[in-house]
Amino acid sequence: AQKVTQAQTEISVVEKEDVTLDCVYETRDTTYYLFWYKQPPSGELVFLIRRNSFDEQNEISGRYSWNFQKSTSSFNFTITASQVVDSAVYFCAGARFLWGAGTKLIIKP
Amino acid sequence: NAGVMQNPRHLVRRRGQEARLRCSPMKGHSHVYWYRQLPEEGLKFMVYLQKENIIDESGMPKERFSAEFPKEGPSILRIQQVVRGDSAAYFCASSPASNSNQPQHFGDGTRLSIL
Repeated sequence: AQKVTQAQTEISVVEKEDVTLDCVYETRDTTYYLFWYKQPPSGELVFLIRRNSFDEQNEISGRYSWNFQKSTSSFNFTITASQVVDSAVYFCAGARFLWGAGTKLIIKP
Repeated sequence: NAGVMQNPRHLVRRRGQEARLRCSPMKGHSHVYWYRQLPEEGLKFMVYLQKENIIDESGMPKERFSAEFPKEGPSILRIQQVVRGDSAAYFCASSPASNSNQPQHFGDGTRLSIL
């Protein structure tokens, strides 16, 4: 069965700390895509990134970086020097409309 | 606004009434997806539609729920005889292509409250 697991229900850090959100994707597919979305307190869903399972290079976009490791089926998301505006629920999603339960990230000033 | 448009933003219904949620996909997108989000939970896939076709409705409850995406006009998610448990946020997303490997672009959701 295919499954997306975000084991961290809630993470709370102080502003400027680095924080990593974990995601594990279980699948029998050899090729697949994974996604991260952000849902701020205002409720909308914002697409952040899509990665192909063939590409294990880290991706960096400003303070955000993503590390995909096929051997462990993990697609982790790191925010460097976190800011209060990063406070949101972050969802990892796989193909076939599978979504993780989300990790609520709280950044304290 | 070229984004996914959902209306109404908030909808209040009494038990037993019907709820109709509308979704207009992004320009150029012909694939629509509906999700339900209960408070403090993640998104649960409901249905995937193309114009005039239901492609995957594996997440739809068997009774009271239906969805359509007509040739003209928005996609409609219809809930008949609503119950308290239907209270949730309903999100619509769209994509240009026919597989789930494309990122989906979401509307702002419809918050349905059942009195």
